[in-house]
Amino acid sequence: EAGVAQSPRYKIIEKRQSVAFWCNPISGHATLYWYQQILGQGPKLLIQFQNNGVVDDSQLPKDRFSAERLKGVDSTLKIQPAKLEDSAVYLCASSLDWATNEKLFFGSGTQLSVL
Amino acid sequence: GQQLNQSPQSMFIQEGEDVSMNCTSSSIFNTWLWYKQDPGEGPVLLIALYKAGELTSNGRLTAQFGITRKDSFLNISASIPSDVGIYFCAATPPQGGSEKLVFGKGTKLTVNP
Repeated sequence: EAGVAQSPRYKIIEKRQSVAFWCNPISGHATLYWYQQILGQGPKLLIQFQNNGVVDDSQLPKDRFSAERLKGVDSTLKIQPAKLEDSAVYLCASSLDWATNEKLFFGSGTQLSVL
Repeated sequence: GQQLNQSPQSMFIQEGEDVSMNCTSSSIFNTWLWYKQDPGEGPVLLIALYKAGELTSNGRLTAQFGITRKDSFLNISASIPSDVGIYFCAATPPQGGSEKLVFGKGTKLTVNP
């Protein structure tokens, strides 16, 4: 079974530039999550989708971050404009269903460096 | 908000030794999970616990859901070099589903051959 696919693996940008990350969840998983993991910390949820609808985006900095999952499968996360403090690993995860299954499967992440 | 206090922050052990790490909170949780993260990879689920007092094993790993529902521990027996990594506890509160999953800050394990 293929895992959660993410790209790119690494991205280096200057502050105020824009960046986008892509995620393809495990086939059949209705729920998709984007997490931010700052060095030395555990993952922090940014946004959660159930199919193509948003379940929770309360911790997403909406002035600069946006995410979509238009067809209920793959998803993109965008930062515009980036700040230095956005340097982190952005992890995508998926699970069968948010209400009954907390078993998340994570991708390898995109490591973002903002200079 | 709900916080998970994970300890120790790091551990340095010899191959073959047993390891114990724990996670505590002042809040009650319905589910406890333990993940391992290798460098450059995403966390991988090791053990999931759904009932207070539950003790679950997965090979050399054993984890328990505390009776008070406010803590959990993970034990690794007879450690080997590939056990190296960062171990995260995570938990979901009584209200809400997986969108409420909270992670600890991790325990970094180093195993010397």
